[in-house]
Order: sequence, then structure tokens, then C-alpha cells
Amino acid sequence: SQTIHQWPATLVQPVGSPLSLECTVEGTSNPNLYWYRQAAGRGLQLLFYSVGIGQISSEVPQNLSASRPQDRQFILSSKKLLLSDSGFYLCAWSVGVRFSTVPGYTFGSGTRLTVV
Amino acid sequence: ELKVEQNPLFLSMQEGKNYTIYCNYSTTSDRLYWYRQDPGKSLESLFVLLSNGAVKQEGRLMASLDTKARLSTLHITAAVHDLSATYFCAVFLRDFGNEKLTFGTGTRLTIIP
Repeated sequence: SQTIHQWPATLVQPVGSPLSLECTVEGTSNPNLYWYRQAAGRGLQLLFYSVGIGQISSEVPQNLSASRPQDRQFILSSKKLLLSDSGFYLCAWSVGVRFSTVPGYTFGSGTRLTVV
Repeated sequence: ELKVEQNPLFLSMQEGKNYTIYCNYSTTSDRLYWYRQDPGKSLESLFVLLSNGAVKQEGRLMASLDTKARLSTLHITAAVHDLSATYFCAVFLRDFGNEKLTFGTGTRLTIIP
């Protein structure tokens, strides 16, 4: 069965510090991978998605970047955090429509980031 | 740009009552998802609706999709306390090979005993 791992679960970082959040998927290959952010009490905003190694699409201009160094690994980074980067970050994966007509989207457990 | 709107944003209802959450979206799509989120937790998949007229039911929740009206509903029957959560709809869009889910604003549901 497929599983998605996301860490760390909680992070408190000072303004101006770097960030690295990691997400890995097991039990599948060639997944589509996504990073979403949820501000407190708000909906989910798509930040980045990737359909393959080294292929990253950015949805919102911001202080963050993403990379996909391996097929099942997706990393969210920042060189210098801002207060506005605080939020709940969720990684998700899906099987693309090229493999399934019913691609489900499965979410990781999330990372709660507080920038102080 | 795809816009997904849910209403109401907040819903407080008594146990045993029925209510409906609405999800409207602005662009043609053939696939819509419903998720549940408990406070401080990740998202749990509830339903995937794949075609016009699709209806799915699980326990006290029933979801439907009208692709012509660009409308999905999540109906709650005889609400119980453990249904208290935030519910999101999400619309699937495929554009030049890119596949994305765009989420609605969410409906925070509180069931009062």
C-alpha cells in the first residue's frame, strides 16, 4: 500500500532563518506531488506541484521554492523565512490521469510552521 | 482562473438536524472531491465525484455533482457530534498536462448536542 511521510510535524523558526520541509511517498512510482499551505482558519493554497523529477511548477510568487531530487521525494525550502510564511504545510500525492482515470489525492500529516 | 466558493463558511447546527453545504466553481471540470479536516489535522478524503449527476453516500453524508450548474452539495442527515469538522470541496483541473486540485474556502461545521 502507498504511504506518504512528511516531517517535521512542528517547527518554530526565527525570521530570516532557512527552511527545509521534506515529503516522501512509498509504494508507488511516478506520483504527482504537491505542496499546499493553509493559513490559520483558512483554505488550502497550492504552492508547487511536480509531475516528475526536476519538474516543478510554481503557483504563487513567494519566498519559497521546491525541488524534487528523486521520484518520490519532494522538498519545500526557503533561504530566509518571513513572518507571513507561518502556516500549516501539507504535502500530497496523486496518481496522474495518465495512469488512472480516478486519481485520488492523499495528504501527509502536515507541518505546522511558526515563524517568530 | 478557477474559483471555488463554499457556503456557508460557518455552520452551527443541532444534533439530529439536516443541512447542506454548497460548493460552486467557475470553470468546467469533470471531477470534484470532498475532504474532511479535524482541528490541527490533515485532510481525510470523503468522496470523489466523477460525472454529472454522480451521487455518493457514506453514513450520514451524501455528496452530489451537477457539472452543468458547476455545483456540488454535501448533505448531512441527522447530524451527530462527531461530524463536527471543517469540510472542503476541491475541483480537479487538467490544463496542458498539469493536474491540480483547487480547494474551496471550507465550511466549519459545529454540531451542538
